[in-house]
Amino acid sequence: DTGVSQDPRHKITKRGQNVTFRCDPISEHNRLYWYRQTLGQGPEFLTYFQNEAQLEKSRLLSDRFSAERPKGSFSTLEIQRTEQGDSAMYLCASSLGQGRLFFGSGTQLSVL
Amino acid sequence: GQQVMQIPQYQHVQEGEDFTTYCNSSTTLSNIQWYKQRPGGHPVFLIQLVKSGEVKKQKRLTFQFGEAKKNSSLHITATQTTDVGTYFCAGPTPQPGGGADGLTFGKGTHLIIQP
Repeated sequence: DTGVSQDPRHKITKRGQNVTFRCDPISEHNRLYWYRQTLGQGPEFLTYFQNEAQLEKSRLLSDRFSAERPKGSFSTLEIQRTEQGDSAMYLCASSLGQGRLFFGSGTQLSVL
Repeated sequence: GQQVMQIPQYQHVQEGEDFTTYCNSSTTLSNIQWYKQRPGGHPVFLIQLVKSGEVKKQKRLTFQFGEAKKNSSLHITATQTTDVGTYFCAGPTPQPGGGADGLTFGKGTHLIIQP
């Protein structure tokens, strides 16, 4: 499978715990995006990378959220001290430059 | 910052009827993209429009980009049950230093088809 893959598909955690998600983009894509989506809403931008450089972070992204793309390939998104409001689908997407986005299947986070 | 607004939020149609969703931006867009998300799925790219007044067709789907490049529409002729899903428009996000990059999505139009 040469698409965007995300791991895990589902994550259930207790409030206050830390969670980390992984995204493997399409190999030749230099851009990688993280979005968050809640039921009935559109994808909400969180952050994106061009190669290993993080170019932009949403102002909505609190300091509990951090993302890395250390070698310009896979990326991780960590949420510290999770809150119930963090429950959502976390989508990763990749692109070549400013072209179309290819999305992964997402990680569904449930914070109890 | 830029907002991409879509209407309607929900649209119920009988199978075979036409469907249209509209997208409006508060700023001029260099391009606009459309995505479809099936229930339980992830967004899938449909098309990108770049030129002012551009019209593109994909079988029963017709996409338009407004002359001022601030609005766009998607029209589906004779809907089928396979068209069910949520349709999103997305435009480049204005950057603090000027220009636009990344992609901001609208909230989408949920298409519900009654057989």
